[in-house]
Amino acid sequence: AQSVTQLGSHVSVSEGALVLLRCNYSSSVPPYLFWYVQYPNQGLQLLLKYTTGATLVKGINGFEAEFKKSETSFHLTKPSAHMSDAAEYFCAVTSYGNNRLAFGKGNQVVVIP
Amino acid sequence: DADVTQTPRNRITKTGKRIMLECSQTKGHDRMYWYRQDPGLGLRLIYYSFDVKDINKGEISDGYSVSRQAQAKFSLSLESAIPNQTALYFCATSDPLAGYTQYFGPGTRLTVL
Repeated sequence: AQSVTQLGSHVSVSEGALVLLRCNYSSSVPPYLFWYVQYPNQGLQLLLKYTTGATLVKGINGFEAEFKKSETSFHLTKPSAHMSDAAEYFCAVTSYGNNRLAFGKGNQVVVIP
Repeated sequence: DADVTQTPRNRITKTGKRIMLECSQTKGHDRMYWYRQDPGLGLRLIYYSFDVKDINKGEISDGYSVSRQAQAKFSLSLESAIPNQTALYFCATSDPLAGYTQYFGPGTRLTVL
């Protein structure tokens, strides 16, 4: 079974500082990896995804993530946090032919002015 | 207009009542999903459907049932609601030909007293 681990349920970051959210996955087959963001009172919105090809993936709102097979990781970064980045972030994994997403428990990001 | 809609957005009900949550989509996707979100637990899959005649249980289907009335409609029912079913419920759709991305509705906040 595929799974994702996100450590640290709450993450505080100062405005203008680096945002780093860690995601480690477990999969016996090549994974497809996703980061979703959930703003208050909204559904989940896709930030970025990796399926094949380039391992550094750029998404919306200045976020990017790098797939590292050797480390089974797909960490999310943004160079400079903005107040509007305050939200909950979920990492998820699936694979070809699966189409069931396994979600991590999420990181609640708080941006400190 | 939103591609994935859910009704109602909020519902308060009492223990033992039957509740139906509805999901409609205009994306033309065959695959639809129902998730439950609880604080600190991420999203957990309740049921999923790959077409009108294909319904599958997810990881937490006990106490829930679903109906796929048409390609565009997928309903979740709680036959006899209990307080630990208080949660945020999300519907999602996907198209495997589009890279397995799932598209989420805005959610239904259900409170069972």
